[in-house]
Amino acid sequence: QSALTQPASVSGSPGQSITISCTGTSSDVGGYNYVSWYQQHPGKAPKLMIYDVSKRPSGVSNRFSGSKSGNTASLTISGLQAEDEADYYCSSYTSSITLVFGGGTKLTVL
Amino acid sequence: EVQLVESGGGLVQPGGSLRLSCAASGFTFSTYSMSWVRQAPGKGLEWVSYIRPDSSTMYYADSVKGRFTISRDNAKNSLYLQMNSLRDEDTALYYCARPLYNGSHLGTFEIWGQGTVVTVSS
Repeated sequence: QSALTQPASVSGSPGQSITISCTGTSSDVGGYNYVSWYQQHPGKAPKLMIYDVSKRPSGVSNRFSGSKSGNTASLTISGLQAEDEADYYCSSYTSSITLVFGGGTKLTVL
Repeated sequence: EVQLVESGGGLVQPGGSLRLSCAASGFTFSTYSMSWVRQAPGKGLEWVSYIRPDSSTMYYADSVKGRFTISRDNAKNSLYLQMNSLRDEDTALYYCARPLYNGSHLGTFEIWGQGTVVTVSS
């Protein structure tokens, strides 16, 4: 159950777009369309932003989008805003009938 | 309001035991699978355990298998995590989490509690 690989940090200026990658294997990310993305602000519980690779829960801004190619999933945030500064985690269902998270990416809005 | 409220955390010595509880309200608890997810201080999220709506199946992360037991009481709208043989590395904030979908889905956590802190230290 190795964690999915995410960059430790990304940054962008307000209004710009950024992409966070999440790399796994054919036993998790590549094998199932069950990738989710979570946003976590300091001291708060995680918030579901994307599920099933590219679906947005009700109430989540359409500035957030998800995609997948092979064993790598991606979260793109367009029109970056100050409130987007947070930690982001991907997760995937696995062939071992478990769930694995990525190590997390700290997004800094410059 | 849909809500999950964890309790039962605290300070325990290595090798000790603790039982966490999660009280659910605002939704039909008996129709959703549930999970525990933890976060060590300054670290990322780690899925711990899962239980089906009818308690027929449970899954565990390798790191806790054989030491932790997940259970639920649908009549009391409550989820539990019995933690035995605790280790230093089990120190974390423990969240209970509910999926977006009802049924047996694992993952896609829409609802999270505020967490309860477990500290394992001598």
